Amino acid sequence: QQQVKQSPQSLIVQKGGISIINCAYENTAFDYFPWYQQFPGKGPALLIAIRPDVSEKKEGRFTISFNKSAKQFSLHIMDSQPGDSATYFCAASNTGTASKLTFGTGTRLQVTL
Amino acid sequence: DTAVSQTPKYLVTQMGNDKSIKCEQNLGHDTMYWYKQDSKKFLKIMFSYNNKELIINETVPNRFSPKSPDKAHLNLHINSLELGDSAVYFCASSWGGSGANVLTFGAGSRLTVL
Repeated sequence: QQQVKQSPQSLIVQKGGISIINCAYENTAFDYFPWYQQFPGKGPALLIAIRPDVSEKKEGRFTISFNKSAKQFSLHIMDSQPGDSATYFCAASNTGTASKLTFGTGTRLQVTL
Repeated sequence: DTAVSQTPKYLVTQMGNDKSIKCEQNLGHDTMYWYKQDSKKFLKIMFSYNNKELIINETVPNRFSPKSPDKAHLNLHINSLELGDSAVYFCASSWGGSGANVLTFGAGSRLTVL
């Protein structure tokens, strides 16, 4: 059962454009929603995260929008750059010692010149 | 200094062999994990240890046996390797409790079973 659904699978954006990746979750017990960025040959690295008490979080060019009632959240990358080309994973978990991150299926982003 | 280091980075072996992957973290975290990333890049948790105690054990064949000699190390031993075990295995670490969700991943160990 895929508890976190992510789309699109791949995305091509021109330099300077806005990249948008969407995720939907099923488990209402989830209370932590991070995004991870993975470059080829590297492990995923935490990019930005949000908790459901806010609807938006912004860090530089990266923004998470969160819709608790719809059980959806999205990553917006403003002014996308070629260096942003990577695979992006949304994830969700509930907090606690035995919590585990459930990842989405990933979105391969390519930013062209 | 690499925060979470895994060895080996690449592992090519024949079906039926036994192999191990080692992981060490120098972040002082008390929780460590093994994740498997398949050919479609899907990331799935396998195991989690908190202070050397197994706290998460997903539906993983018992050919996979993790061992945590101390809270800075988590090794993965795989017996009787099968073709389907080919994947990239990631070690990760975090703080337990409310910080359990902020994971630092290693660079991965790519296992190819021939």
